Amino acid sequence: NAGVTQTPKFQVLKTGQSMTLQCAQDMNHNSMYWYRQDPGMGLRLIYYSASEGTTDKGEVPNGYNVSRLNKREFSLRLESAAPSQTSVYFCASSFPTGDTGELFFGEGSRLTVL
Amino acid sequence: KQEVTQIPAALSVPEGENLVLNCSFTDSAIYNLQWFRQDPGKGLTSLLLIQSSQREQTSGRLNASLDKSSGRSTLYIAASQPGDSATYLCASSPGATNKLIFGTGTLLAVQP
Repeated sequence: NAGVTQTPKFQVLKTGQSMTLQCAQDMNHNSMYWYRQDPGMGLRLIYYSASEGTTDKGEVPNGYNVSRLNKREFSLRLESAAPSQTSVYFCASSFPTGDTGELFFGEGSRLTVL
Repeated sequence: KQEVTQIPAALSVPEGENLVLNCSFTDSAIYNLQWFRQDPGKGLTSLLLIQSSQREQTSGRLNASLDKSSGRSTLYIAASQPGDSATYLCASSPGATNKLIFGTGTLLAVQP
């Protein structure tokens, strides 16, 4: 079982370049999430999608856009990368709430912006 | 705004010891609380999920408790092993959503 798959695993960008991080899950989950993890800051929610066709801002959405392409896929786009966006990005998925609200995470995408 | 704090930031124990990791949160109106494990360079693995109506959950050598009134959760690890060495994170979901707010984690080292 693949679970949550993120691509690419590593990326180096120059300031001002754009890129899209891809995420796909095969667990038939309704909800998907993008988090970033920085040293000393813990994980912070960037965007959240409760179900196909809906997205909602998290704690740190500025500089990012998302697309919930279908139930399986949730992409994160950086339109004009900045050094402050150097981070490890994690995608996660879950059933919306209730007893099955457990989050499943991908392995992470490590992004460096020079 | 929900804030989640984990103390201590780092902990080193000898193999075989029982230990407790602490998590506190500022808003008691949570939907659930989750504990995760993160190995270096890896993603997070869910360990235990406690619904707001529950007081504790157990899985093998792990036991997590939840006290909403005091804004605290603890993760108890029995008979620790070197393979338990990792960062442990707790996260709570404010209100009726699953948008988790994470603590900064406790880095655990179990010495053989």
